[in-house]
Amino acid sequence: EAQVTQNPRYLITVTGKKLTVTCSQNMNHEYMSWYRQDPGLGLRQIYYSMNVEVTDKGDVPEGYKVSRKEKRNFPLILESPSPNQTSLYFCASSLNPGTFSPLHFGNGTRLTVT
Amino acid sequence: GQQLNQSPQSMFIQEGEDVSMNCTSSSIFNTWLWYKQEPGEGPVLLIALYKAGELTSNGRLTAQFGITRKDSFLNISASIPSDVGIYFCAGPRGGTSYGKLTFGQGTILTVHP
Repeated sequence: EAQVTQNPRYLITVTGKKLTVTCSQNMNHEYMSWYRQDPGLGLRQIYYSMNVEVTDKGDVPEGYKVSRKEKRNFPLILESPSPNQTSLYFCASSLNPGTFSPLHFGNGTRLTVT
Repeated sequence: GQQLNQSPQSMFIQEGEDVSMNCTSSSIFNTWLWYKQEPGEGPVLLIALYKAGELTSNGRLTAQFGITRKDSFLNISASIPSDVGIYFCAGPRGGTSYGKLTFGQGTILTVHP
């Protein structure tokens, strides 16, 4: 089944403790992206990747890192999480952004930072 | 940065009613996208619009790309309980690339049976 898989689905952590949220897609998509969703703010783009080894900042990249060493994986790294990073995070992928192919989203990771 | 403003923020309707929502921007977009998010899941693309004035349907859903390219509209006819969810408009920035994609704040739809 074609899908975007995020892990974990739920994560509670403490301020300053490094964490990684994994994202993997099995559709051979070139484009991948991370979003955070907060009430009243919709989805805001954190980082995106047009292809392997190509990443760029979205609207809210501060406090986050990403890597794209292989096509299928696009982990989101929080080196020193803070409470304002408590949010619902979505990873998404598409075949090729230049062809306007639709974004496929994962089911989300709910992160709480205390 | 560029922002998309959705209206209304929430809607409470009776089953069978028609629904209208819109999305506006201060900047021109060359593509408008409408996504639906159901509880506990990621958004799913409903309709994509690529040309000013374009009117596209997907079942009971109809979306229009505004002539000014600064707005878009989504209509749902004869709503049913499974229409419940959050509806987002979205548009790519930076030319024709999906690289940077802006989403609106969402319209929360509740349908009473």
